[in-house]
Amino acid sequence: EVQLVESGGGLVQPGGSLRLSCTASGLTVSSNHMNWVRQAPGRGLEWVSVLQSDTYTYYADSVKGRFVISRDNSKNTLYLQMNSLRVEDTAVYYCARVAVHSSGWIPNDYWGQGTLVIVSS
Amino acid sequence: DIQMTQSPSTLSASVGDRVTITCRASQSISSWLAWYQQKPGKAPKLLISKASSLESGVPSRLSGSESGTEFTLTISSLQPDDFATYYCQQYSLYPWTFGQGTKVEIK
Repeated sequence: EVQLVESGGGLVQPGGSLRLSCTASGLTVSSNHMNWVRQAPGRGLEWVSVLQSDTYTYYADSVKGRFVISRDNSKNTLYLQMNSLRVEDTAVYYCARVAVHSSGWIPNDYWGQGTLVIVSS
Repeated sequence: DIQMTQSPSTLSASVGDRVTITCRASQSISSWLAWYQQKPGKAPKLLISKASSLESGVPSRLSGSESGTEFTLTISSLQPDDFATYYCQQYSLYPWTFGQGTKVEIK
């Protein structure tokens, strides 16, 4: 059974930093494309970043230059390092797997439960 | 960036109704369109990928279709478990983008 468990959320002041973790079981993070999606309170879903199995990364414009996605293969864990945090980064952050098949990609077939980040003074 | 325009934002319907949610892409995304269902306090659930491919375990009363850059999610006969918020997402080109969401409410 696949499980993704996020951790690391919490309350942080504007300008501060936080590192989110997404620990996987039942799948190998390094063999999959993995992404982060966030949802501000009462709002819709916003795609944040992807780390492909070939180590290619991409970021939403809203976080480019401030967030860094990475993984630790030995820990089977995906990370999101968030720097220079802003009030508008307040959201539940989800990690999710992108399945890659010869017939095409299947986005976000497995999700974690999410971790809440609150940026406030 | 590709914009996804989803409508309506809210839909009031009764059990047994046929409902349709539409998503329009600002440019061609081929068939790289997914639909998700989200219930309060829960992570989204993937329903459909590649515009019309139903995920395993998803009821057959849900279906997806496409016509050019317009995509449709149809629920043929609304059931109590279907009252939720639905999102479309394009995954043709980074940055991937979501529609604004459609909340399906009980009439």
